[in-house]
Amino acid sequence: AQSVAQPEDQVNVAEGNPLTVKCTYSVSGNPYLFWYVQYPNRGLQFLLKYITGDNLVKGSYGFEAEFNKSQTSFHLKKPSALVSDSALYFCAVIGLSSNTGKLIFGQGTTLQVKP
Amino acid sequence: EAGVAQSPRYKIIEKRQSVAFWCNPISGHATLYWYQQILGQGPKLLIQFQNNGVVDDSQLPKDRFSAERLKGVDSTLKIQPAKLEDSAVYLCASSSAGPYNEQFFGPGTRLTVL
Repeated sequence: AQSVAQPEDQVNVAEGNPLTVKCTYSVSGNPYLFWYVQYPNRGLQFLLKYITGDNLVKGSYGFEAEFNKSQTSFHLKKPSALVSDSALYFCAVIGLSSNTGKLIFGQGTTLQVKP
Repeated sequence: EAGVAQSPRYKIIEKRQSVAFWCNPISGHATLYWYQQILGQGPKLLIQFQNNGVVDDSQLPKDRFSAERLKGVDSTLKIQPAKLEDSAVYLCASSSAGPYNEQFFGPGTRLTVL
């Protein structure tokens, strides 16, 4: 069965420092991986996705993520954090065995960026 | 372009009452999803429509939940009767046809069952 794990409930980082939000996955076959962000009282917003090709994927708002097949990970990164990046971040996966595009979400990681 | 619209934004009901949520997807999006997001958890897919046909409803509690997408555009999700454990945010999302396209989410409806 497909699953996603986000091992940290919360990540704290100072503004200007690099940030990493971790994600590991378990699927049969090659995965399609996504990151979404959720601001308070708003719906989820798409950040980026990995389909195939280059393991480093660039997305919205300066975020990027690195796909690592051997470690089954897809960590979200940003070189310099902003206070406005503070939000709830979700990793999600679609297994290739799914032909419906059903997203399996992790439990989410709260990112807190302090000035 | 206009985003996914949902209403109401908030709803408080007593257990055993019924409630309905409405969703208007992005124009032209063939696929529509309803998710349930319980506090502290990631969204869980309840039902997925492709145009007006159901693609996946494997996690929909069919004894109390129902959903329809008339004419392949707007959709409604109904709960009857509601239980305390149905308290959650109900998210609607839409995407263009194809299983690996990004989904666009509405603001959600926060349901509280007392």
